[in-house]
Amino acid sequence: DQQVKQNSPSLSVQEGRISILNCDYTNSMFDYFLWYKKYPAEGPTFLISISSIKDKNEDGRFTVFLNKSAKHLSLHIVPSQPGDSAVYFCAAYRDNYGQNFVFGPGTRLSVLP
Amino acid sequence: DAGITQSPRYKITETGRQVTLMCHQTWSHSYMFWYRQDLGHGLRLIYYSAAADITDKGEVPDGYVVSRSKTENFPLTLESATRSQTSVYFCASSGQGRNEKLFFGSGTQLSVL
Repeated sequence: DQQVKQNSPSLSVQEGRISILNCDYTNSMFDYFLWYKKYPAEGPTFLISISSIKDKNEDGRFTVFLNKSAKHLSLHIVPSQPGDSAVYFCAAYRDNYGQNFVFGPGTRLSVLP
Repeated sequence: DAGITQSPRYKITETGRQVTLMCHQTWSHSYMFWYRQDLGHGLRLIYYSAAADITDKGEVPDGYVVSRSKTENFPLTLESATRSQTSVYFCASSGQGRNEKLFFGSGTQLSVL
């Protein structure tokens, strides 16, 4: 049973528009959440994170929103650029409990020029 | 350069052969991890290590062996490779504090024929 779910395997967005990637989790003990970006033939790279004590975290064009009651988080990219085309993984873990990062299956984002 | 490096980048082997994938990190991170990436499954944890000489199973450990005699190295061995172990393997590391991130290597593409 997947503890972290990304129900959209793929997403296409026009350049300049907003991209919204969604992630749901089932384990209420998770208290730290991360988004990773992965280009082909490269390892995943850290993008942005959020602690469960917050409901929003921004870093430039990237904003992550956390809704603890719904066990849902989302990544917003505004404006989307062609270089954002990649696979995005949502990850979660229970802080101070063994660094057990659990990843979702990923969403492939295509930003069309 | 500091970072996390994996070798080889690509490996082709035959069913039944033993294969070892290497991972080396220069950050002195306590934790090291091995993940495999498969379509539809995202990143699944094979084994992880909290420190030298301390290892533990992840979600999909069968058919794999790890060791960690030194903090900086965490090799993954497939004792008798099977076709189902064809995958992309990622090594990662993290610190042991709060709100840590995972840092990934570039991956090893393994094909078992």
